[in-house]
Amino acid sequence: GPKVLQIPSHQIIDMGQMVTLNCDPVSNHLYFYWYKQILGQQMEFLVNFYNGKVMEKSKLFKDQFSVERPDGSYFTLKIQPTALEDSAVYFCASSLAHNAETLYFGSGTRLTVL
Amino acid sequence: QQQVRQSPQSLTVWEGETAILNCSYENSAFDYFPWYQQFPGEGPALLIAIRSVSDKKEDGRFTIFFNKREKKLSLHITDSQPGDSATYFCAASPTGGNNKLTFGQGTVLSVIP
Repeated sequence: GPKVLQIPSHQIIDMGQMVTLNCDPVSNHLYFYWYKQILGQQMEFLVNFYNGKVMEKSKLFKDQFSVERPDGSYFTLKIQPTALEDSAVYFCASSLAHNAETLYFGSGTRLTVL
Repeated sequence: QQQVRQSPQSLTVWEGETAILNCSYENSAFDYFPWYQQFPGEGPALLIAIRSVSDKKEDGRFTIFFNKREKKLSLHITDSQPGDSATYFCAASPTGGNNKLTFGQGTVLSVIP
């Protein structure tokens, strides 16, 4: 089936540094998402993105977070600066349409902030 | 506040048995309920989904039973196979929810040959 690729699979950084998580969504998909999963907890919605803009974001999407997809390349989540509580697995997803359509998830990037 | 709850946290069944995974929710605005299956090292993949206008959705060995009044649903996996061993997530979203899914914590299913 369609694949969403996430790079890297693991990332370890020091608190206060910047990190960029990369996502290569399904090629003809138009809507993009980031979800966050802290160890042992449920996956939580962070943000969705369409046509170069954030459509909706949750309260977990702090001011230090930003997303973009320049010129149809990777869909990225940037955290600057990072904090200890940002340690989690971040899942990228994409879909063809915005409402109740199948989300295709990547395998996640495990971010560890020391 | 956990809006989508799943039980049990883990479940072990023998090959050929029926596994029953439970899910409940609080938000009456939720009307779309997908179940995602996740294998270790992979992302969640859509398994089966139901809308609140239906009380049952079947796809092969996988069936969702939905009770809108009680805000409960369950996923039944009949003739369970070792390859079904995975984590199953119940999720929910409202109409026009922009795919803002609220996930449960998941049920880890183990099927013993």
